[in-house]
Amino acid sequence: IAGITQAPTSQILAAGRRMTLRCTQDMRHNAMYWYRQDLGLGLRLIHYSNTAGTTGKGEVPDGYSVSRANTDDFPLTLASAVPSQTSVYFCASKDGENTDTQYFGPGTRLTVL
Amino acid sequence: GQNIDQPTEMTATEGAIVQINCTYQTSGFNGLFWYQQHAGEAPTFLSYNVLDGLEEKGRFSSFLSRSKGYSYLLLKELQMKDSASYLCAVTDSNYQLIWGAGTKLIIKP
Repeated sequence: IAGITQAPTSQILAAGRRMTLRCTQDMRHNAMYWYRQDLGLGLRLIHYSNTAGTTGKGEVPDGYSVSRANTDDFPLTLASAVPSQTSVYFCASKDGENTDTQYFGPGTRLTVL
Repeated sequence: GQNIDQPTEMTATEGAIVQINCTYQTSGFNGLFWYQQHAGEAPTFLSYNVLDGLEEKGRFSSFLSRSKGYSYLLLKELQMKDSASYLCAVTDSNYQLIWGAGTKLIIKP
């Protein structure tokens, strides 16, 4: 069992390019999340999905979009990357919608030049 | 607004005890989590408190006082591998996690 996988591990991207970060979990968890982590700041929620077919906006959704076509996959797309989107991106999942523990993927380090 | 405060950095000695504090102000409260994050790695779950009091799990313990908006993580018999960042997070009224910036713990021999 892999848990949560993310791809790519790291990426350097030119500003203005489109990029999709992939996230797949094999735990059949209902809820999935995308966070960004920047030095000196806490994890900030970008988008979330409580169950397949539904998505919601987090604290910092601008410039990002997500889809949840099935239980396992939750891709994050940057339509036109900007340097301020340079960050480490973590995908997470949890079984229920409420107070269950979130489990994190290994992260994607993205640099936008 | 929602706010979680924890010290930016702490230093402790191998074999000693350290207490990492976390204070929070959030819209609603449905539990508090502590996560450990080694440099360059993902956060991993340490503990969860929803009722007041102390939860003990091996060398790690976590305390919660809901009336004071306060929690602490206590690490005993410190080992070099405990060098990491410790993240405090609160589940708010919408069941979303609000995260502190983390406390970087440096263990010296």
